[in-house]
Amino acid sequence: GQQVMQIPQYQHVQEGEDFTTYCNSSTTLSNIQWYKQRPGGHPVFLIQLVKSGEVKKQKRLTFQFGEAKKNSSLHITATQTTDVGTYFCAGGEGFKTIFGAGTRLFVKA
Amino acid sequence: SAVISQKPSRDICQRGTSLTIQCQVDSQVTMMFWYRQQPGQSLTLIATANQGSEATYESGFVIDKFPISRPNLTFSTLTVSNMSPEDSSIYLCSVEQGANTEAFFGQGTRLTVV
Repeated sequence: GQQVMQIPQYQHVQEGEDFTTYCNSSTTLSNIQWYKQRPGGHPVFLIQLVKSGEVKKQKRLTFQFGEAKKNSSLHITATQTTDVGTYFCAGGEGFKTIFGAGTRLFVKA
Repeated sequence: SAVISQKPSRDICQRGTSLTIQCQVDSQVTMMFWYRQQPGQSLTLIATANQGSEATYESGFVIDKFPISRPNLTFSTLTVSNMSPEDSSIYLCSVEQGANTEAFFGQGTRLTVV
């Protein structure tokens, strides 16, 4: 079945530094979604990318979908303490959504 | 969007007993799923809850251990049967209006088996 790999597992940054997490799939994805889970919370949808090479921005967050639709990245510019949490990518497999392992972001003030 | 009410939010159970988790959605949804999440880990799909028919289970999960009901398009239950400490985890229901669309999650049920 489809595998969605995500790196790094953890990232510690100083507030104001940038952060990037990468997602790779073993198969071509129809779309990719990104979620954020705060400590003690549940995953919350951030965005969905559908088109090859698509780039979307949400304030300080930039999401990219690779040309081959097998990889994606999330980049946060000038992190803030409110960015802490775990970021998951998720790819569709048939009717199912398969989640990556997640990248846990720690931000030091 | 969809608002999901999942309960209980947490429970501590004795081994050998069973716990049923409920997931109520404020609107009719096409897809409902149950996930398990170990602390600090990713979400593992247990099964797809099918309305009016048997759930579709992922590898490593069986109906006898995790029976699922979905009597209509707004409600589902997951039962964790004959629990052991290894079943201690967070269980989450999620819904999608269509295949591979935005997933909305319940608040989760934190289960501890002693």
